[in-house]
Amino acid sequence: DTAVSQTPKYLVTQMGNDKSIKCEQNLGHDTMYWYKQDSKKFLKIMFSYNNKELIINETVPNRFSPKSPDKAHLNLHINSLELGDSAVYFCASLRGREAFFGQGTRLTVV
Amino acid sequence: DAKTTQPTSMDCAEGRAANLPCNHSTISGNEYVYWYRQIHSQGPQYIIHGLKNNETNEMASLIITEDRKSSTLILPHATLRDTAVYYCIALNAGGTSYGKLTFGQGTILTVHP
Repeated sequence: DTAVSQTPKYLVTQMGNDKSIKCEQNLGHDTMYWYKQDSKKFLKIMFSYNNKELIINETVPNRFSPKSPDKAHLNLHINSLELGDSAVYFCASLRGREAFFGQGTRLTVV
Repeated sequence: DAKTTQPTSMDCAEGRAANLPCNHSTISGNEYVYWYRQIHSQGPQYIIHGLKNNETNEMASLIITEDRKSSTLILPHATLRDTAVYYCIALNAGGTSYGKLTFGQGTILTVHP
């Protein structure tokens, strides 16, 4: 059983489109995150939710809107996609002091 | 969170111990040292963490110097599957950090036959 699962794994879309990436964790954790890994391989936190409430927003453009319908899900919706949004997006959840990451969604904007 | 410094890359022969150093000279008393790794095309994977004492688990050992300004991650018998980028992170695990991980460049460890 996959602990943190993301869909889709790959996403190719045109500039200006709106897309969503879904994340689900079956670990019962309260805290979930979205990280972005750019072409230079730097991993940066974007958002964190705790019990469905936003607790960290790292000055991400407001075209990015996380949504947590329940504490097992943290979806990422992106409006008006730009070329610079191309990256790998990782979802993660936190147990105690250990973070569990999903396998990533490779987003390519053309 | 304190800044960490790691070598850009290291090599290790299969079956030998891999010792990955990390400097964190400005670490504060309530910051833990965490190690994660990222195998190609996968999400980061937790390895180990520690505060003051040395730690060991099924994956690795973590040796933290007495002054806590540096640490070493030890993979006792490296295999080809340990080839990955290894990240050393100083993290205040309490308060308002909510486990926020600040990744640096990490060390690219290549294990060769």
